[in-house]
Amino acid sequence: EVELVESGGGLVQPGGSLRLSCAASGFTFSSYWMSWVRQAPGKGLEWVANIKQDGSEKYYVDSVKGRFTISRDNAKNSLYLQMNSLRAEDTAVYYCARGSGYVIYWGQGTLVTVSS
Amino acid sequence: EIVLTQSPGTLSLSPGERATLSCRASQSVSSSYLAWYQQKPGQAPRLLIYGASSRATGIPDRFSGSGSGTDFTLTISRLEPEDFAVYYCQQYGISPSFGQGTKLEIK
Repeated sequence: EVELVESGGGLVQPGGSLRLSCAASGFTFSSYWMSWVRQAPGKGLEWVANIKQDGSEKYYVDSVKGRFTISRDNAKNSLYLQMNSLRAEDTAVYYCARGSGYVIYWGQGTLVTVSS
Repeated sequence: EIVLTQSPGTLSLSPGERATLSCRASQSVSSSYLAWYQQKPGQAPRLLIYGASSRATGIPDRFSGSGSGTDFTLTISRLEPEDFAVYYCQQYGISPSFGQGTKLEIK
């Protein structure tokens, strides 16, 4: 059974940093693109970033370029999102997702709150 | 960046009725890389349709997708009580994006 479990969310001050993790199981992690998608409270979905199987290609939504870094460790079946220079508008539930196109498998999400 | 605009913002219908949800893209969506999702409160999205018209595994056949280019439609033929939720379209080209959502509520 495919499982994606996010962790690392929490309350952080504006300008601060946070690192999200996603532990994957139930499939061959190294064979899939992976993505992060976020959802601000009461708002719609926003694709944030994705990464190729070997980490050689990474893409970001314009609003996070230069501040967020997506990475992966295939030996640990884990996906990461390093978030720096956080802003109030980054407040959202962050979902880990398998694939870079349409998404069948999603994690349960981890809440990031940026507030002083 | 492709901007997706969904309409209506809210759709009020009764169980048994037919629902038609629209998704319009600011430019042509290549190879019909268009998906539809259902999301209920406190849950992750659930894939319904991919490739504009292919149903995902386990999705009832009352859900159907159509369209190409810049205009796409999700149709729910006969609404069941569990269908009332928020629906999102997504284009999954090089820089994926989602529509703002349509809330389907019970009339």
